[in-house]
Amino acid sequence: DQQVKQNSPSLSVQEGRISILNCDYTNSMFDYFLWYKKYPAEGPTFLISISSIKDKNEDGRFTVFLNKSAKHLSLHIVPSQPGDSAVYFCAASAETGANNLFFGTGTRLTVIP
Amino acid sequence: GAGVSQSPRYKVAKRGQDVALRCDPISGHVSLFWYQQALGQGPEFLTYFQNEAQLDKSGLPSDRFFAERPEGSVSTLKIQRTQQEDSAVYLCASSLRLNYGYTFGSGTRLTVV
Repeated sequence: DQQVKQNSPSLSVQEGRISILNCDYTNSMFDYFLWYKKYPAEGPTFLISISSIKDKNEDGRFTVFLNKSAKHLSLHIVPSQPGDSAVYFCAASAETGANNLFFGTGTRLTVIP
Repeated sequence: GAGVSQSPRYKVAKRGQDVALRCDPISGHVSLFWYQQALGQGPEFLTYFQNEAQLDKSGLPSDRFFAERPEGSVSTLKIQRTQQEDSAVYLCASSLRLNYGYTFGSGTRLTVV
């Protein structure tokens, strides 16, 4: 059973506009969330994370929002750039217990110049 | 090295053949993880090492999968009697300590024919 879900397999956005990537989770024990970015033929690269004690974390053009009651998080990229075109994976973990991350299936973002 | 290095990059195996996949983590990184990523899916956890100790192998799909890290640095993932469903990208990741911003290698793409 998929504990982390990314329901949009793809997203296209014009350069300069905002990209919003969504992620839902089912396990209420998850309390640490991450976004990874993946280019073809490369491994995933860590982008940004958020702990459940926060509802927002910002790093430059990237902001992650967490809504614990809805078990939902989102990644906002603004302004979007063509170099942001990649597959984005949402991941989650419980800080206690397992050391492993649970990943979503990814969203392919295409930023159109 | 500067990053996590995995070899080979690509491996084609005949069904029933044994394979060995190598991971060279970032020097000094204590934690090492193996993930399996099937086509169109997110990475799924296989196993975790802290130094040479395999602390979690709950994600290994069968007893045909075996991982080791005898000296606490290089790790090998071995798959015996490969089957077609083993076809996937195998990702290795390492981190300096037990945290969640770990660094992935580029992966080994295994195709079983």
